[in-house]
Amino acid sequence: AQTVTQSQPEMSVQEAETVTLSCTYDTSESDYYLFWYKQPPSRQMILVIRQEAYKQQNATENRFSVNFQKAAKSFSLKISDSQLGDAAMYFCAYSPDYGGSQGNLIFGKGTKLSVKP
Amino acid sequence: DGGITQSPKYLFRKEGQNVTLSCEQNLNHDAMYWYRQDPGQGLRLIYYSQIVNDFQKGDIAEGYSVSREKKESFPLTVTSAQKNPTAFYLCASSPTGGNTEAFFGQGTRLTVV
Repeated sequence: AQTVTQSQPEMSVQEAETVTLSCTYDTSESDYYLFWYKQPPSRQMILVIRQEAYKQQNATENRFSVNFQKAAKSFSLKISDSQLGDAAMYFCAYSPDYGGSQGNLIFGKGTKLSVKP
Repeated sequence: DGGITQSPKYLFRKEGQNVTLSCEQNLNHDAMYWYRQDPGQGLRLIYYSQIVNDFQKGDIAEGYSVSREKKESFPLTVTSAQKNPTAFYLCASSPTGGNTEAFFGQGTRLTVV
């Protein structure tokens, strides 16, 4: 069975600094998707960034980027120039490639990120 | 605006009662999902449906039931057989085919009193 592990229950970063959240996963599949979701206090799940396993290039979305190491089954999230609005729970998630449907997700337990002014 | 609507936002249930959580989407997505979130835990999949009139159990389906009579709607019933139903419930939808991620509703907080 696939699993997702986030080893950092809590992290803290100074405003404008850079922070990296860790995620490892276990799967025997070769095709899959990886995601980072943000859950602010409103509890709305917001997609931050997505990585297709077949792509070697790391995904980037503005201040958010990932370090995808397929052989090591590692998928870390880097947040640059941290802002107060980045404070939230961050969940790493895995989805098998079931005909393009990406909602059958396996989540890690999350990392609570605090941003200090 | 297109999106996913969950109702109600807060729900209270007496022990021994069944309760139904609503999830409606107007995104024309084929697939819909129900997740449960407990404190200190990630989301866990309860049920999912890839097409109308068909659905599959997720990792924690015991004590729950669903129906998918319409493409837009995927209600979740929490039955009295669910031992610990107090939790936050999230509904999501996604297209099948294409390269698009899932979209989530705003959730329902269920409390057993």
